[in-house]
Amino acid sequence: DIQMTQSPASLSASLGETVTIECRASEDIYNGLAWYQQKPGKSPQLLIYNANSLHTGVPSRFSGSGSGTQYSLKINSLQSEDVASYFCQQYYDYPYTFGAGTKLELK
Amino acid sequence: EVQLVESGGGLVQPGRSLKLSCAASGFTFSDYNMAWVRQAPTKGLEWVASISYGGSNTHYGDSVKGRFTISRDNAKSTLYLQMDSLRSEDTATYYCARLARVSYWFAYWGQGTLVTVSS
Repeated sequence: DIQMTQSPASLSASLGETVTIECRASEDIYNGLAWYQQKPGKSPQLLIYNANSLHTGVPSRFSGSGSGTQYSLKINSLQSEDVASYFCQQYYDYPYTFGAGTKLELK
Repeated sequence: EVQLVESGGGLVQPGRSLKLSCAASGFTFSDYNMAWVRQAPTKGLEWVASISYGGSNTHYGDSVKGRFTISRDNAKSTLYLQMDSLRSEDTATYYCARLARVSYWFAYWGQGTLVTVSS
């Protein structure tokens, strides 16, 4: 199985700040990576697919990058509505696997 | 608007069975692969199973293989998850998800249904 190691586990940042979350795969996943946002008490929502493509309706302050085994999600100009948990997921191979998540809070 | 509405969750004893349903609307159900993803209380996400748009191909996570069965009724635009031999570690919120048309990320999610396995 492909293991997804996500860091940091938690993050505290100020409004307007730029935040970066990392995800490392245990083998090359050839950009088969998605990022999801989950707000408290809600279901996950797709942000990014194919490592760097923005899902419909997602604000442009979110961006994804990376290749091979290393990927990142960047949030520019942090807003209060961005307080949530973020998960990466590889869909390059079965079983699909998720990172453990990053909980983002406001400082 | 894509809508996915799960139902069928509840409290069940270990070793018993439960069947979840997911009613889809707002898109042509028979055109899309579908999946179930679960989340144990205060934990991360775990992919459970996927099914192709026609229903002929299915895949399962190792922890549920041989116990859970994913199926679909395209005429009713409904996805199912038959869960047998339930264990306490199956306690989770179960989400129905629609995959993208030509790839495998989870483009849309339902609100989830809670399954609690306890005596």
